[in-house]
Amino acid sequence: QKEVEQDPGPLSVPEGAIVSLNCTYSNSAFQYFMWYRQYSRKGPELLMYTYSSGNKEDGRFTAQVDKSSKYISLFIRDSQPSDSATYLCAMRSNAGGTSYGKLTFGQGTILTVHP
Amino acid sequence: DVKVTQSSRYLVKRTGEKVFLECVQDMDHENMFWYRQDPGLGLRLIYFSYDVKMKEKGDIPEGYSVSREKKERFSLILESASTNQTSMYLCASRKGGSTDTQYFGPGTRLTVL
Repeated sequence: QKEVEQDPGPLSVPEGAIVSLNCTYSNSAFQYFMWYRQYSRKGPELLMYTYSSGNKEDGRFTAQVDKSSKYISLFIRDSQPSDSATYLCAMRSNAGGTSYGKLTFGQGTILTVHP
Repeated sequence: DVKVTQSSRYLVKRTGEKVFLECVQDMDHENMFWYRQDPGLGLRLIYFSYDVKMKEKGDIPEGYSVSREKKERFSLILESASTNQTSMYLCASRKGGSTDTQYFGPGTRLTVL
């Protein structure tokens, strides 16, 4: 079983739709949760960052973390064609030492928003 | 802006060749990472370096080695390329400390024939 599971999609939605992207994980030590966005032929870039449980909102994007269920979500409101990309969840524990900063990624979900 | 560059966007090599992939970052970051990205598998960590001349194995180090002689440069070496190393290779850098932001390069699409 993978430490982090993410539905690869692909997911296709009309412009203006609300998009929900999700990841589940098995390692209860994970404390820091991120969403990266990757456009075609580009490297991933950090989109959202959350520590522990709770919600975080940034414009049309909301990240949610439910540590009790080991489940994280990214919601995109009023989706736009420019949101078409691969979305990767990533997480890490609070372990120190040389492992500090090592992220575990999900498989990525391919999202297409069509006009 | 942080910039992470990779030496090639596309590379085609033959089985058994020695392959060098180079990554350079311009923000004086302590940590650097090499990942491979495959459909359905996401990003998997090959090696990372937390400082010059320091390296640590990631989740899939077999068949790879790395070199970090200067802070800004992190090289991935395939000693004897094999077809199952055909993949997208991504380099990333991160400032040491509490930040989690990793800055990625554009990737190198390697095909081993």
